[in-house]
Amino acid sequence: AQKITQTQPGMFVQEKEAVTLDCTYDTSDPSYGLFWYKQPSSGEMIFLIYQGSYDQQNATEGRYSLNFQKARKSANLVISASQLGDSAMYFCAMRDLMNTGFQKLVFGTGTRLLVSP
Amino acid sequence: NAGVTQTPKFRVLKTGQSMTLLCAQDMNHEYMYWYRQDPGMGLRLIHYSVGEGTTAKGEVPDGYNVSRLKKQNFLLGLESAAPSQTSVYFCASSFPSVQGIGQPQHFGDGTRLSIL
Repeated sequence: AQKITQTQPGMFVQEKEAVTLDCTYDTSDPSYGLFWYKQPSSGEMIFLIYQGSYDQQNATEGRYSLNFQKARKSANLVISASQLGDSAMYFCAMRDLMNTGFQKLVFGTGTRLLVSP
Repeated sequence: NAGVTQTPKFRVLKTGQSMTLLCAQDMNHEYMYWYRQDPGMGLRLIHYSVGEGTTAKGEVPDGYNVSRLKKQNFLLGLESAAPSQTSVYFCASSFPSVQGIGQPQHFGDGTRLSIL
């Protein structure tokens, strides 16, 4: 079974600095995908970025980038130039593709990021 | 610009009562999901549906039932609520996954459910 591990329960960063949120995964599938979601204090889950196992380059979306190291089975989220609005819970998730074609997501336990002025 | 809409947003039930959580999406997604979120455990899949009229069990299906009578709606039912079902419930939807290309799931704002 797929497993996602986020070892940082909380992270602190100053505004305008970069921060890396760690995510390691365990899978025996050759084809898989990794997602990052943001959950602000208001509660909604916001999709941030996706990386597929066959993608040659690390994914980027604005200030978000994914440091994908396949050999280490890690997919760390890098947020550049942190903003106060980045304070939230961040979840790493893995696509578990069943043989029916159904895509189930397996989530980590999350990392709470606090951005200070 | 609604996306995924969940109702209600909050509810308090007594043990043994029943209720239905409603989820509606306007993105024409084939797949829909119900998750529960508990402190320190991330999100766990309760049930899911790959199309109108079909449902399947996820990781933690016991005590819940679902129905997908219309493509845009996915209902989660608790027949006899228990305190262990106190949680935040999220509905999500997505297009089917294409080999090698991930399809993000779009989430509703959640329903806070307390069972006394």
